Amino acid sequence: GDSVTQMEGPVTLSEEAFLTINCTYTATGYPSLFWYVQYPGEGLQLLLKATKADDKGSNKGFEATYRKETTSFHLEKGSVQVSDSAVYFCALIPSYNQGGKLIFGQGTELSVKP
Amino acid sequence: DAGITQSPRHKVTETGTPVTLRCHQTENHRYMYWYRQDPGHGLRLIHYSYGVKDTDKGEVSDGYSVSRSKTEDFLLTLESATSSQTSVYFCAISSGGRKETQYFGPGTRLLVL
Repeated sequence: GDSVTQMEGPVTLSEEAFLTINCTYTATGYPSLFWYVQYPGEGLQLLLKATKADDKGSNKGFEATYRKETTSFHLEKGSVQVSDSAVYFCALIPSYNQGGKLIFGQGTELSVKP
Repeated sequence: DAGITQSPRHKVTETGTPVTLRCHQTENHRYMYWYRQDPGHGLRLIHYSYGVKDTDKGEVSDGYSVSRSKTEDFLLTLESATSSQTSVYFCAISSGGRKETQYFGPGTRLLVL
């Protein structure tokens, strides 16, 4: 079945460092791909998404490109801030879509130190 | 922010007691979902609903039941709580399309002693 694999955390960076969180997926056809973020004590919120191959999603300085050839959707940010400390989830909705059900990766915790 | 509330936000209960968690939305979305979040497992779908009185199981549905008698409310019931059901529970809503965003509630932290 369809699945999502993320790099394990926690990831600890200094402020202004470059961030990459790897995400790869296994899916038939062309799923929609998402990054959700969970700040401490809160629910998840959408960070960005891409719904077809070669699309780039971007928001708040974060970017991810839908790479069909490598089945990847890596999250990047050029200069992280302490306020980016959170748990990041990569997820997909399969091409066969069953009511918008998301399939999540296990999450990657990011800690940014001043 | 999407209008989703969950109640209670925190609950401590004892093994064997029934527990009901409530999710309420003001967005009139057709689809509603219940997830649990546990360390190392990300979010796992328990049950979801695709309309009033229409529900289906997710990947971790054993020990849980749901009901949806109104568009805006989706209830999750633990018939007889066990310690393995200690978790953080999230409700989410969506219009159900392949490209659509899911909007999440603030979560309910449940401790079963």
